[in-house]
Amino acid sequence: SQKIEQNSEALNIQEGKTATLTCNYTNYSPAYLQWYRQDPGRGPVFLLLIRENEKEKRKERLKVTFDTTLKQSLFHITASQPADSATYLCAPLGSSASKIIFGSGTRLSIRP
Amino acid sequence: EAQVTQNPRYLITVTGKKLTVTCSQNMNHEYMSWYRQDPGLGLRQIYYSMNVEVTDKGDVPEGYKVSRKEKRNFPLILESPSPNQTSLYFCASSMTTGTQAREQYFGPGTRLTVT
Repeated sequence: SQKIEQNSEALNIQEGKTATLTCNYTNYSPAYLQWYRQDPGRGPVFLLLIRENEKEKRKERLKVTFDTTLKQSLFHITASQPADSATYLCAPLGSSASKIIFGSGTRLSIRP
Repeated sequence: EAQVTQNPRYLITVTGKKLTVTCSQNMNHEYMSWYRQDPGLGLRQIYYSMNVEVTDKGDVPEGYKVSRKEKRNFPLILESPSPNQTSLYFCASSMTTGTQAREQYFGPGTRLTVT
């Protein structure tokens, strides 16, 4: 069955450093991969979408890579700030873009 | 303001008492979806709809029903709620089509407790 794995443990990073989050998938060949941010008790908020034919995508301090050979996406936050502290979810999507499975998320804490 | 609204935001009910959680979006999105989120289990899709009158099961559809009679509304129905349906529920909508994935916009969530 399809399986999506994100860093199971919380990630604690010093302010100003780069945070790197991992999303691995198995038994799956997604055409897209999305990343979302979720704050406690609130709905996820979309951050970035990357397509299978794109190796890298950037938005301000955010960068996402998509390696279909390794079956992995990396999500980077550069110059991290305490306000970046949240849970980050990845969601690979098939080409039909219909059924959606989310990873369990990685909780990121940025300490001042 | 573009948004997804859910009602109610909080609900405490008893086992077996039918309930409906409403979801509405004002962005003319074709795709709508319901998720439940539980500690340690993450966000799991219950049902989704690609368009009016088109619905399909997600990963955890048992015990739930949905309908899509209008484009803007996608209610979640629990015919006979049980305590294992106690959870945080999110509705989402998107411009996703069958061949093009787009970002999802999530509602504020409905916290349901079934005693």
